[in-house]
Amino acid sequence: QKEVEQNSGPLSVPEGAIASLNCTYSDRGSQSFFWYRQYSGKSPELIMSIYSNGDKEDGRFTAQLNKASQYVSLLIRDSQPSDSATYLCAVRNPPGRRALTFGSGTRLQVQP
Amino acid sequence: EAGVTQSPTHLIKTRGQQATLRCSPISGHTSVYWYQQALGLGLQFLLWYDEGEERNRGNFPPRFSGRQFPNYSSELNVNALELEDSALYLCASSLGAAEQFFGPGTRLTVL
Repeated sequence: QKEVEQNSGPLSVPEGAIASLNCTYSDRGSQSFFWYRQYSGKSPELIMSIYSNGDKEDGRFTAQLNKASQYVSLLIRDSQPSDSATYLCAVRNPPGRRALTFGSGTRLQVQP
Repeated sequence: EAGVTQSPTHLIKTRGQQATLRCSPISGHTSVYWYQQALGLGLQFLLWYDEGEERNRGNFPPRFSGRQFPNYSSELNVNALELEDSALYLCASSLGAAEQFFGPGTRLTVL
């Protein structure tokens, strides 16, 4: 079982719709969770971080964390063609370990 | 504020040679991380440096090594290059245990 799992996609949504990206993780001790966006040929760009159960909103992005279900998600409202990219879920485990464990990413395609 | 910078952008080496990759963290960040993104394998953690010391390493052979300088910049060395070392090497930096921000990467091609 992979430590961090994501559906590889592609997830295709029409422009203006809500895109929902999901991630599950195996280590119950995980405490920190991150979403990165990676355009083809570019490096990952941090979108959101979330550390406690519940929702965290930043502009069009909402991260949701449910530690009991070991599940973290990213919602993108009013999706734009420029949101088309691969979205990487990353998890950091305690204690004192800084290494991020990444999922394989979900490719999002927003259709104009 | 300048982000993480890496050099060179591209590096072409032949099997058995050594490669040296460089990284400058965001100003004020003392922690530097190296990751490898190889085709089909995803992003994998290589090394973590903090205050000049290696703090943790991922599941990579010893021919992957590095160091962090007093100005917090870092160098990744890969000895005895193998074809499967061809990948995008990403450096990230953070302020303590806060979020990690990535540089543009160095694309290493081993022929």
